Amino acid sequence: GAVVSQHPSRVICKSGTSVKIECRSLDFQATTMFWYRQFPKQSLMLMATSNEGSKATYEQGVEKDKFLINHASLTLSTLTVTSAHPEDSSFYICSARSSGNTEAFFGQGTRLTVV
Amino acid sequence: GDSVTQMEGPVTLSEEAFLTINCTYTATGYPSLFWYVQYPGEGLQLLLKATKADDKGSNKGFEATYRKETTSFHLEKGSVQVSDSAVYFCALSDLGNTPLVFGKGTRLSVIA
Repeated sequence: GAVVSQHPSRVICKSGTSVKIECRSLDFQATTMFWYRQFPKQSLMLMATSNEGSKATYEQGVEKDKFLINHASLTLSTLTVTSAHPEDSSFYICSARSSGNTEAFFGQGTRLTVV
Repeated sequence: GDSVTQMEGPVTLSEEAFLTINCTYTATGYPSLFWYVQYPGEGLQLLLKATKADDKGSNKGFEATYRKETTSFHLEKGSVQVSDSAVYFCALSDLGNTPLVFGKGTRLSVIA
């Protein structure tokens, strides 16, 4: 299957700093990428959908100024958590999909801890 | 809107037991159906899929059949192993840029 690489897998940052998470599709063109947040022992919560070259569409309740998403190319999307606080600590997962396909491929996830 | 309902866990089984995780869906169109697996601390991996009615997806001993008449996609495995312990997510997808719709996940623990 197609490969989606997410980096870093773990990051610890200080409160008030910003963290960037990268999501790359290695062997296909990801026309659409999705960013999820997952709390312990819970399902995935969709944060936003981004199409290459367009602004991301955020789900209700997700602060777009806090969670900046960029999808500048067909193989790369980034999520930047700005001015991180301890309550932003979570597991973030990206997913990518190519045009005409119904299935999505997932990155390995990023464990963010804000101290 | 579209939705997926799967049985709540946790499910605890002994090694070599038979596994069934129920999944039903509601959708306006003709979605593709998926099962994803998440091992601890990792992202989701596609386990199997089916794109139309009566299709059977299978992988690693797991299988699920797309039943349009009952709007179901139950996951089964004849003999589970300790290494199958994970969280299993049922999901559906339509074409286009819409995200997958996930069930809440079912945690499976297999004990030796």
